[in-house]
Amino acid sequence: QKEVEQDPGPLSVPEGAIVSLNCTYSNSAFQYFMWYRQYSRKGPELLMYTYSSGNKEDGRFTAQVDKSSKYISLFIRDSQPSDSATYLCAMSLFLSGNTPLVFGKGTRLSVIA
Amino acid sequence: DVKVTQSSRYLVKRTGEKVFLECVQDMDHENMFWYRQDPGLGLRLIYFSYDVKMKEKGDIPEGYSVSREKKERFSLILESASTNQTSMYLCASSSRGKETQYFGPGTRLLVL
Repeated sequence: QKEVEQDPGPLSVPEGAIVSLNCTYSNSAFQYFMWYRQYSRKGPELLMYTYSSGNKEDGRFTAQVDKSSKYISLFIRDSQPSDSATYLCAMSLFLSGNTPLVFGKGTRLSVIA
Repeated sequence: DVKVTQSSRYLVKRTGEKVFLECVQDMDHENMFWYRQDPGLGLRLIYFSYDVKMKEKGDIPEGYSVSREKKERFSLILESASTNQTSMYLCASSSRGKETQYFGPGTRLLVL
């Protein structure tokens, strides 16, 4: 069983739809959770960062962590064509700077105008 | 803003050549990382470094080496390039005590 599982998609939605992207993980010791967005032929950029369980909202984006289910989600409201990208989840054991992040393989999202 | 730059966006090399990929960050970050990204395989960690002259193997270090002589610069070396090293190479950096990594734009390497 891989440490982090993420459906690769592709996921195609109409403009204005609510998008739900998800990752599951096996290591209950993960405490820090991140979402990165990667446009085609570019490096990933940090989108959201969450510690432990709960929700975090930033504009149209909401990150949700359910540690009891080992499940994290990223919701995008009122999706736009500019949201078309690959979304990678990432997680870490603790804030030490000495433990590399573990990444999901990414979900490719297309928002159709 | 954090800026991570990589020496080349696209690179074409011949099998057997020695290849140098350079990464520079301007935020005084202690930690630097090299990944490769391939379709269906996601990001895979090659090497990372927590300080100058220090290095740690990642998940796929075979066929690669690294050098970190200065804090801001982390080099990835392909000693003898092979076709299976054709990939997108991504450099990242982070501050000690912070989990978030900042990525460069990537280098697309084609080995013929």
